[in-house]
Amino acid sequence: QVQLQESGPGLVKPSGTLSLMCAVSGGSISSNNWWSWVRQPPGKGLEWIGEIYHSGSRNYLPSFKGRVTISLDKSSNQFSLKLTSVTAADTAVYYCAGRAAGMYNFDNWGQGTLVTVSS
Amino acid sequence: QSVLTQPPSVSAAPGQKVTISCSGSSSNIGSNYVSWYQQVPGTAPKLLIYENNKRPSGSPDRFSGSKSGTSATLGITGLQTGDEADYYCGAWDSSLNGVVFGGGTKLTVL
Repeated sequence: QVQLQESGPGLVKPSGTLSLMCAVSGGSISSNNWWSWVRQPPGKGLEWIGEIYHSGSRNYLPSFKGRVTISLDKSSNQFSLKLTSVTAADTAVYYCAGRAAGMYNFDNWGQGTLVTVSS
Repeated sequence: QSVLTQPPSVSAAPGQKVTISCSGSSSNIGSNYVSWYQQVPGTAPKLLIYENNKRPSGSPDRFSGSKSGTSATLGITGLQTGDEADYYCGAWDSSLNGVVFGGGTKLTVL
């Protein structure tokens, strides 16, 4: 069973860059999976941000395009999220998640990490 | 504003049945599979239903899913207090080329 674990700073200043990593264990990041980032503002619903495949193919939600980059680090079996020009509206619990290629459901989730945007 | 529309809350007594609706459009539910997730506050979402009506191993058969046109429904029978959670529907959106979720439905077992 693949396990995912997020890591990164819990506090980011406004206009700064949010950077998170997701460590994949129990499987290879080069397997036939898409690796996603999903966020959840406090008290609100889930919002998919984007995903990456081991080939380097990426999909991003249009509302994040221009601000978001998702990358792979095959040597460490991790993938990352960078979100630039953050505001208080980007305060959320950020989850990494995985879905099998050809499937459109997330059967693996990290535990989530809270990122607060504040000065 | 979520792309998929769910009722904010539903409630029912223990042992009863409840349904949660999820409404979308031709670019998401109308042309792609729907999945459902259960989220106990403070924890990560957990997959309950995938491909409209399939249950992953470990998902109780009290949970069922269906889809018709641009809407989907999650059904829960034999309600238990442990079912109290937030429930989210999700689907691929072919126009956005990404995953979209509903706003979530809070289930209260009275």
